[in-house]
Amino acid sequence: QVQLVQSGAEVKKPGASVKVSCKASGYSFSSYVMYWVRQAPGQRPEWMGWIHAGSGDTKYSQRFQGRVTITRDTSANTAYMELSSLRSEDTAVYYCARGLPNMDVWGKGTTVTVSS
Amino acid sequence: ETILTQSPATLFRSPGDRATLSCRASQSVRRNLAWYQQKPGQAPRLLIYDASKRATGIPARFSGSGSGTDFTLTISSLEPEDFAVYYCLQGNNGVFTFGPGTTMGI
Repeated sequence: QVQLVQSGAEVKKPGASVKVSCKASGYSFSSYVMYWVRQAPGQRPEWMGWIHAGSGDTKYSQRFQGRVTITRDTSANTAYMELSSLRSEDTAVYYCARGLPNMDVWGKGTTVTVSS
Repeated sequence: ETILTQSPATLFRSPGDRATLSCRASQSVRRNLAWYQQKPGQAPRLLIYDASKRATGIPARFSGSGSGTDFTLTISSLEPEDFAVYYCLQGNNGVFTFGPGTTMGI
């Protein structure tokens, strides 16, 4: 079955970077887009960006432009999201979601806590 | 950026009731609108895409309608597992925004 398995929870200090992985299985990885969405406690989900796993094309939300980098490794069927210059407001659950274009399958989420 | 508003913010219903949720876009998104259901501690679950198409495995009691700027999600007869938060999502030109959500409460 289609599955997205994300890396484990992270605790980071302000100013640090975090890199979250999302390993896909059960479908043709390169044929789909992978989205990254985050959700702060009690807030709506927020789209961060996407990567086309085949071409490597990316698009980022203007809110995160310059701080987020989404990459993929087609040999490992894995997508990555790196967020830099972390601040307390970046504390959230980070999700990957498959799409073409609809976000139809989601990972379980990775909790990132930013605290000094 | 296209802004989505949802109404009402909270909707109280009982099992067996009909529920109608609204999502309005600040500019036309044609039919590029999806609806998601989210329960505590879980990822959002796709219910409806392209405004009116049910996602795989979604019960027929969920239906979507609308185009342009005004959209509706209807649940024809609420089941106990339907009490959750519902978000709309638009994806115009590859840029995505979520609405603020409607909480379905008992």
